[in-house]
Amino acid sequence: EVQLVESGGGLVKPGGSLRLSCAASGFSFSNAWMSWVRQTPGKGLEWVGRIKSKSDGGTPDYGAPVKGRFTISRDDSRNTLYLQMNSLKTEDTAVYYCTDGLQLWGQGTLVTVSS
Amino acid sequence: DIPMTQSPSSLSASVGDRITITCRASRSIGTYLNWYQHKPGEAPQLLIYAASSLARGVPSRFSGSGSGTDFTLTISSLQPEDFATYYCQETHDMFGQGTKVEIK
Repeated sequence: EVQLVESGGGLVKPGGSLRLSCAASGFSFSNAWMSWVRQTPGKGLEWVGRIKSKSDGGTPDYGAPVKGRFTISRDDSRNTLYLQMNSLKTEDTAVYYCTDGLQLWGQGTLVTVSS
Repeated sequence: DIPMTQSPSSLSASVGDRITITCRASRSIGTYLNWYQHKPGEAPQLLIYAASSLARGVPSRFSGSGSGTDFTLTISSLQPEDFATYYCQETHDMFGQGTKVEIK
């Protein structure tokens, strides 16, 4: 079955860290560019960042609100995408999705940043 | 990051209406433009990719056009299940602000 499954969300205090994972199955993960997208409460969709496939250089890029705080990585041997989130702020509270940038989306995982 | 300007931010329409949503990039992005439908509590659904290609399983009343900096999404005959929020996105990059389509 072709799917993406996120995990790792939860409640964290401002300034804290959290790592999200996205397990991929049923497609050629290693050849895919992958993105993280979030939806904040009452707001629209926001692109968090993406990572290229290794064959295209494997480099990540980030949206301005998270640059310098978040890190995207991938382990193609495990078909898994990661989002390391540091120095979390209350405004990072959102449902986080991983996606192949097209039709494949995970179910989302909720991150709540609150004291 | 290339900011995407989407308009209108909301619209009211009736079942059967034809509606058009526009999206503008601040510089040319070729046809690297996707359109999504998003309903509360669900993952976004891809409607159109590469500016004008209909995604698998999407009804033909949805269509997309444009290239470079200006793009449009058209729904030819609005159906009850189409009331949702629509987003444009440069592939693997920024989204537009969204257009909420509501029942008149």
